[in-house]
Amino acid sequence: QKEVEQDPGPLSVPEGAIVSLNCTYSNSAFQYFMWYRQYSRKGPELLMYTYSSGNKEDGRFTAQVDKSSKYISLFIRDSQPSDSATYLCAMSFASGGSYIPTFGRGTSLIVHP
Amino acid sequence: DAGVIQSPRHEVTEMGQEVTLRCKPISGHDYLFWYRQTMMRGLELLIYFNNNVPIDDSGMPEDRFSAKMPNASFSTLKIQPSEPRDSAVYFCASSQSTSGQPQHFGDGTRLSIL
Repeated sequence: QKEVEQDPGPLSVPEGAIVSLNCTYSNSAFQYFMWYRQYSRKGPELLMYTYSSGNKEDGRFTAQVDKSSKYISLFIRDSQPSDSATYLCAMSFASGGSYIPTFGRGTSLIVHP
Repeated sequence: DAGVIQSPRHEVTEMGQEVTLRCKPISGHDYLFWYRQTMMRGLELLIYFNNNVPIDDSGMPEDRFSAKMPNASFSTLKIQPSEPRDSAVYFCASSQSTSGQPQHFGDGTRLSIL
């Protein structure tokens, strides 16, 4: 079992839909949780960054962390074709003073007009 | 802020040739990471540096791969000799040492070994 599991998709939704992207993990030591967005032929771009459990909202994006279930989610409201990208979750904890993230494989999202 | 800068953006070369990938991290960031991304394996951490010192190179696939960071603003990843299975997108990322600070990625080098 990989430390971080993420369904690769693709997930195809119509414009305006609410999108839910998820990751599960096995290591309860993870403290910091991140979502990256990666457009084709570009590097991953930090989208959301949270510490421990709870919700964080930024515009149309909401990140949710449930440490008891070892489950994190990214919700996208009113999805747009420009949201079409691969979304990678990542998480980290302190190990020897460093925080080295573990990444999921990424979920490909397609928002069609 | 210019972000993480990688060069070249694309590299096509024949197997057996030496390949050198370059990275300039964000100023003030003291961690630098090299990743490889493929469809099959996703994003793999190859090596990371802290204050120009290599900390963990356990992800480097073989002795053919080497990385250096001669100063805080420059790093190289070298493959010698290159093989077709090294074809992938190589990313450099940097971060600050403050607790849990996330990484910032460059746009990668797309490497094709023929």
